[in-house]
Amino acid sequence: ETGVTQTPRHLVMGMTNKKSLKCEQHLGHNAMYWYKQSAKKPLELMFVYSLEERVENNSVPSRFSPECPNSSHLFLHLHTLQPEDSALYLCASSPSGGPRELFFGEGSRLTVL
Amino acid sequence: AQSVSQHNHHVILSEAASLELGCNYSYGGTVNLFWYVQYPGQHLQLLLKYFSGDPLVKGIKGFEAEFIKSKFSFNLRKPSVQWSDTAEYFCAVNARNDMRFGAGTRLTVKP
Repeated sequence: ETGVTQTPRHLVMGMTNKKSLKCEQHLGHNAMYWYKQSAKKPLELMFVYSLEERVENNSVPSRFSPECPNSSHLFLHLHTLQPEDSALYLCASSPSGGPRELFFGEGSRLTVL
Repeated sequence: AQSVSQHNHHVILSEAASLELGCNYSYGGTVNLFWYVQYPGQHLQLLLKYFSGDPLVKGIKGFEAEFIKSKFSFNLRKPSVQWSDTAEYFCAVNARNDMRFGAGTRLTVKP
């Protein structure tokens, strides 16, 4: 149990589908993150939310749309994805401010056909 | 932008061998340094961290890392590995609230 829960754990979708990934943290943190993990590449930071406001967006294509309705929940809405978007999507949380030690969820494995 | 380099992509060791995984970063200012581990099928979890003070930090499961500022390095070490240490290890550097990860090093420990 990590304190950060991601659903679904596995998702297969076609390029025309719309789906969402969900993340929930029970740690009382104020910052939440989406990372993309691809084989043999550094983790890619996609989005950062602090106190429910987006503070960072690292040039992520618009087919990925984040939503943070409150400090405990984070969504990643997916639309018209490409096969190269297949990866493990990791959610993390941290206390806002400070050195930002991250607490990760187990990830959502996405396959785009 | 800063970057983090992990030079070893895959390391294979026998049990009881000593381990050192390299990590170098490019940022010249104040940094916070981390090593995370990802066991097969599990989430990334923190092994150890350096914020300030003694540059030799000890983490869980007998791991330690040494921050050498002059070399921009934060290498991970363990004197005697076990089969259960088989995992992927990620170095991360936080500078000015910009957290960057290395590409990871896969460690395989043969029983």
